[in-house]
Amino acid sequence: EAGVAQSPRYKIIEKRQSVAFWCNPISGHATLYWYQQILGQGPKLLIQFQNNGVVDDSQLPKDRFSAERLKGVDSTLKIQPAKLEDSAVYLCASSLVPGGLGAYRHSPLHFGNGTRLTVT
Amino acid sequence: AQKITQTQPGMFVQEKEAVTLDCTYDTSDPSYGLFWYKQPSSGEMIFLIYQGSYDQQNATEGRYSLNFQKARKSANLVISASQLGDSAMYFCAMREGYGGSQGNLIFGKGTKLSVKP
Repeated sequence: EAGVAQSPRYKIIEKRQSVAFWCNPISGHATLYWYQQILGQGPKLLIQFQNNGVVDDSQLPKDRFSAERLKGVDSTLKIQPAKLEDSAVYLCASSLVPGGLGAYRHSPLHFGNGTRLTVT
Repeated sequence: AQKITQTQPGMFVQEKEAVTLDCTYDTSDPSYGLFWYKQPSSGEMIFLIYQGSYDQQNATEGRYSLNFQKARKSANLVISASQLGDSAMYFCAMREGYGGSQGNLIFGKGTKLSVKP
């Protein structure tokens, strides 16, 4: 099966500019995640979708970050305006489990190759 | 609150030898899953192995095995017969089965493994 697709692979922008990232999850995966990974750290969740609804966006800086998954398939993450501290790798992941209490613990997340963002 | 701790920022191992990467976790949820991911310098996160909180046996996947000690809340990754291609960052992660986060994967800070020829 095809993996999680992300684009672009790299992006360099100046602070205060805007940028958008795109993700296409594995076919049939209802749950989609965006993670931010700052150099030297583990990934941190920004937002989680189930189908086209937001499940968790508690760690998304909503004054500058936005994300959507309109048709329950692919998703875009936008930053506007960018700050220097937004320099990171943005990872998209998807997971098969659509629901069911207790079922989540079994299912791994499948990640894309990520987008490396540099803000200058 | 759930938490993952990886205390080894970096590890070295000789090619063909075994290495253990440490991971401890904290959660109040009795139902959870533990995962290990490999992240090469190219950046992708590769799923390696999974252990469920109710699993009686330690998980194994090829050269990877998970030393699961539930009472100690530890889930160490053992890589046998290390290869040069094993050089990468390794992340331990946890996913709870219940609760409001509905399956968010929480990561540790990672361990950088370097395999020497």
